[in-house]
Amino acid sequence: EAQVTQNPRYLITVTGKKLTVTCSQNMNHEYMSWYRQDPGLGLRQIYYSMNVEVTDKGDVPEGYKVSRKEKRNFPLILESPSPNQTSLYFCASPPFYDGSANFGAGTRLSVL
Amino acid sequence: QKEVEQNSGPLSVPEGAIASLNCTYSDRGSQSFFWYRQYSGKSPELIMSIYSNGDKEDGRFTAQLNKASQYVSLLIRDSQPSDSATYLCAVRGAGSYQLTFGKGTKLSVIP
Repeated sequence: EAQVTQNPRYLITVTGKKLTVTCSQNMNHEYMSWYRQDPGLGLRQIYYSMNVEVTDKGDVPEGYKVSRKEKRNFPLILESPSPNQTSLYFCASPPFYDGSANFGAGTRLSVL
Repeated sequence: QKEVEQNSGPLSVPEGAIASLNCTYSDRGSQSFFWYRQYSGKSPELIMSIYSNGDKEDGRFTAQLNKASQYVSLLIRDSQPSDSATYLCAVRGAGSYQLTFGKGTKLSVIP
């Protein structure tokens, strides 16, 4: 079954404590992406990756880092989380042929 | 800046009625158009994709695209309470993997 797997699903942390949200896909897709979703603001892209070792900024990259060392994994790193990064995060990986997106189940992050 | 606009709603329709959801986009070069359904706290789920002008039907869902007017819509026939969700319009530009999402329209189907 085609899957995008995110972990953890829920995370509560404190300001400044580094954290990583993992994302893994089993579809051998080249493209992976991270979004955050906030009430009234919709889905906004944070970072995306076109292939291994190729990453680029989306619309709201400030405060985030990513890496793509393997094709299947695309972790999102918050080096020093702040309360304004409290949000619902989604990893997505579309197939090349139709451009739609398979989304992970989401990670609800609260930064206190 | 590519923009996708949707009426935020909420849109309320009685059970069995037709729900009509609308979306406009700013990038005239956009090539692929998608509708996602999202239940509260869940991930978006693709329900329709459309690539050329006209209508595309899938069960109770019909997507309509008018590239000249930069307009895409989703019709849901025989609306059911289980259709109550937020519907996201997404647009992809030519030669790009980038999806730009609208903020979504919340639909409530009243039994």
